[in-house]
Amino acid sequence: EVQLVQSGAEVRKPGESVKISCEASGYDFSNYWIGWVRQMAGKGLEWMAIIYPGDSEARYSPSFEGQVTISADKSINTAYLQWSSLKASDTAMYYCAAFINSGYGNFDYWGQGTLVTVSS
Amino acid sequence: EVVLTQSPGTLSLSPGERATLSCTTSYSVDSSYIGWYQQKPGQAPRLLIYGASRRATGIPDRFSGSGSGTDFTLTISRLEPEDSAVFYCQKYSSSVFIFGPGTRVDIK
Repeated sequence: EVQLVQSGAEVRKPGESVKISCEASGYDFSNYWIGWVRQMAGKGLEWMAIIYPGDSEARYSPSFEGQVTISADKSINTAYLQWSSLKASDTAMYYCAAFINSGYGNFDYWGQGTLVTVSS
Repeated sequence: EVVLTQSPGTLSLSPGERATLSCTTSYSVDSSYIGWYQQKPGQAPRLLIYGASRRATGIPDRFSGSGSGTDFTLTISRLEPEDSAVFYCQKYSSSVFIFGPGTRVDIK
């Protein structure tokens, strides 16, 4: 059974850093793209970045490039999303998602979400 | 960059009725990369349809997708109370994944 299990909620102050994780199981993690999607409170879905764990090739949405860093550790089947200097506007729910059986382009497996709250 | 528009913004229907949700792209796209998702409050999105018309694993056959070019449709043939949710279309194009703004479906 494919599962994506995300790390718990984070509370940070503006300017602080944070790294959230997504542990995958039930499939060959190295050979399928996995990405991150943001959802601000009461708003829609925004794709942020995607990575191929096998060779760490990463692609970013123009809206998020330079603002976040995606990474993956294939030895422990885990993808990450990190911020070096958070802003209040980064407060949101973040989902990891992968496309495994649906072919390239549509995400058929999702994590449960990680809430990041940035407040002074 | 392609823009996705969804209509209507909100749909209010009774159980057993048919729901038709529209997704329009700003220019003609490859339907292979069109997907539809359902998101219920407090839950992660769930893929319903990929490749414009293929049902994802475990999705009931009352959900169907169609369309080509710039116009795509998600149809729920017989609404059930648990179908109340926000539905998003999504497109992959030129290394970018774009989501539409969503259609809220309320079951009366």
